[in-house]
Amino acid sequence: GAVVSQHPSWVICKSGTSVKIECRSLDFQATTMFWYRQFPKQSLMLMATSNEGSKATYEQGVEKDKFLINHASLTLSTLTVTSAHPEDSSFYICSASKVRAGVSQEQFFGPGTRLTVL
Amino acid sequence: AQTVTQSQPEMSVQEAETVTLSCTYDTSESNYYLFWYKQPPSRQMILVIRQEAYKQQNATENRFSVNFQKAAKSFSLKISDSQLGDTAMYFCAAMDSNYQLIWGAGTKLIIKP
Repeated sequence: GAVVSQHPSWVICKSGTSVKIECRSLDFQATTMFWYRQFPKQSLMLMATSNEGSKATYEQGVEKDKFLINHASLTLSTLTVTSAHPEDSSFYICSASKVRAGVSQEQFFGPGTRLTVL
Repeated sequence: AQTVTQSQPEMSVQEAETVTLSCTYDTSESNYYLFWYKQPPSRQMILVIRQEAYKQQNATENRFSVNFQKAAKSFSLKISDSQLGDTAMYFCAAMDSNYQLIWGAGTKLIIKP
């Protein structure tokens, strides 16, 4: 159990276009989903935290108008990179957590999406 | 704010040897969780082991065990009988009160045949 999928696994787009990445919890309800960005040979950088039915909370320095996050259901969150530019090229990872007895004990990770903006 | 420090950027050992990866953290939380995640070349993050801070007993998962020193705020990972498939980036992380993970910089572990 506790499987998280991401789609697409990789995407190439032209500069100025928008790209949507989906994150789904396949066998559990995720009250909270997290979006990370990872540069080569670096650690994960948290971009935003999204709770189902409410607006995402963005980390300092992350442009919320550029990285639109929607968490419409307990099994789906989407990240849309708007007007993408080459500097947005990166590896994006989502994770989902389920809360038991009021405590979230673990995040389950998707396989990641490699975005290349030409 | 919580911080997690991994001071070993890269380590290399022979297959079947034992290796220990270091991690220290700083937190003001009274209860918290600590994690070790593995990221192989596929880049899928895989949970290796989890430790609840209020439990004194060190967590173990088969060949993986931790040495949790709460007073010293140290959380090292020991891999016994290392295997080629253990080659990966290993990240230490602490969960804060908002359920967010605070990540270390990672240690690249190479298992040599």
